[in-house]
Amino acid sequence: DAGITQSPRYKITETGRQVTLMCHQTWSHSYMFWYRQDLGHGLRLIYYSAAADITDKGEVPDGYVVSRSKTENFPLTLESATRSQTSVYFCASSGIAGAPDTQYFGPGTRLTVL
Amino acid sequence: AQSVTQPDIHITVSEGASLELRCNYSYGATPYLFWYVQSPGQGLQLLLKYFSGDTLVQGIKGFEAEFKRSQSSFNLRKPSVHWSDAAEYFCAVVHTGGFKTIFGAGTRLFVKA
Repeated sequence: DAGITQSPRYKITETGRQVTLMCHQTWSHSYMFWYRQDLGHGLRLIYYSAAADITDKGEVPDGYVVSRSKTENFPLTLESATRSQTSVYFCASSGIAGAPDTQYFGPGTRLTVL
Repeated sequence: AQSVTQPDIHITVSEGASLELRCNYSYGATPYLFWYVQSPGQGLQLLLKYFSGDTLVQGIKGFEAEFKRSQSSFNLRKPSVHWSDAAEYFCAVVHTGGFKTIFGAGTRLFVKA
């Protein structure tokens, strides 16, 4: 009954390093999303996925890469981390294919880039 | 382009007082509308949603929201606030036929005793 989990919960890294944030959901939801949350901006969509092997860019995709080889996993990679990517990252999933529905959010990953 | 505006960055209300959080959206047709709540250190949780039908929708924790097409608004209300309602509240929009969600910047609610 885990629902949607994210790991790690906290991460400190250095500029230029590659970092991967993990997201796993146990509901077999079709849609998965990655957001970043910054003060004054609310949540901004980075990437989303409609199904395994189907991904697309959101509002702020630059500097990020995603993959979705399995329905339940949706990792987010920062290929070369920058200080501007310091943020709280939320993964979410949604169940109904072809229609907007409630998104279920993970607990978030707080990433600090030094 | 779609947008969601929450005009109040933060609001302070006394415990037991009524609450109204404002949300305005910009979109040509009627979108799907959501309110989410985020407690400190947590992810977001759905309070309520509007897809169609009755423009007054009820949610969890005693919250309700009213969709007003003429004003492009979807304001959240609660008749009597509890200290546990202190959190950040986000209004969100999804356009019909899609699933990408646009969130407002959020309103932080403070509750004073």
